[in-house]
Amino acid sequence: AQRVTQPEKLLSVFKGAPVELKCNYSYSGSPELFWYVQYSRQRLQLLLRHISRESIKGFTADLNKGETSFHLKKPFAQEEDSAMYYCALSRRAAGNKLTFGGGTRVLVKP
Amino acid sequence: DAGITQSPRHKVTETGTPVTLRCHQTENHRYMYWYRQDPGHGLRLIHYSYGVKDTDKGEVSDGYSVSRSKTEDFLLTLESATSSQTSVYFCAISESRTSGETQYFGPGTRLLVL
Repeated sequence: AQRVTQPEKLLSVFKGAPVELKCNYSYSGSPELFWYVQYSRQRLQLLLRHISRESIKGFTADLNKGETSFHLKKPFAQEEDSAMYYCALSRRAAGNKLTFGGGTRVLVKP
Repeated sequence: DAGITQSPRHKVTETGTPVTLRCHQTENHRYMYWYRQDPGHGLRLIHYSYGVKDTDKGEVSDGYSVSRSKTEDFLLTLESATSSQTSVYFCAISESRTSGETQYFGPGTRLLVL
């Protein structure tokens, strides 16, 4: 069965510092990988997905199939980046059902 | 926000009582999902629906049932609530079942089972 692991439960960084959220997955096929974000008192929303290869709010993520990772990075963290971040995977053979990691809470200090 | 509402938003109930949570969407999306969110576990899929009267089990379906009699409504029922079902429940919708399609989430229902 597929699995998504986010090893850090909490990341605390200072404003302007780089931030990297780790995501590792286990799945033998071709996965679709996502990052979802939940800001305080807001709904969970899509941040980015690997197939789009886009940068959203300064965040990027590269799918590394060799290391089975999809780490999320931002070179200069902002206070508004403080949120809960979830890495998620869907399998092409199983429709659009998502498997989530346990989440990483990011706290950006002024 | 996508047109997704959940009711109730908060509920406290006692062990052994039935509970029904409602997800309502105005987007006319065919696909709907129920997840539960627990610390350390992220979100886990409970049940999902590919259309009216077309539902299937997810990863953690024991103790839950669902119904979808209309495109816009997806109901999650806890037949006999247990303390282990204390959680935050999220409904999500998507336009298609294509892997990679964005899911849009509701605001969540916080359920406490005493």
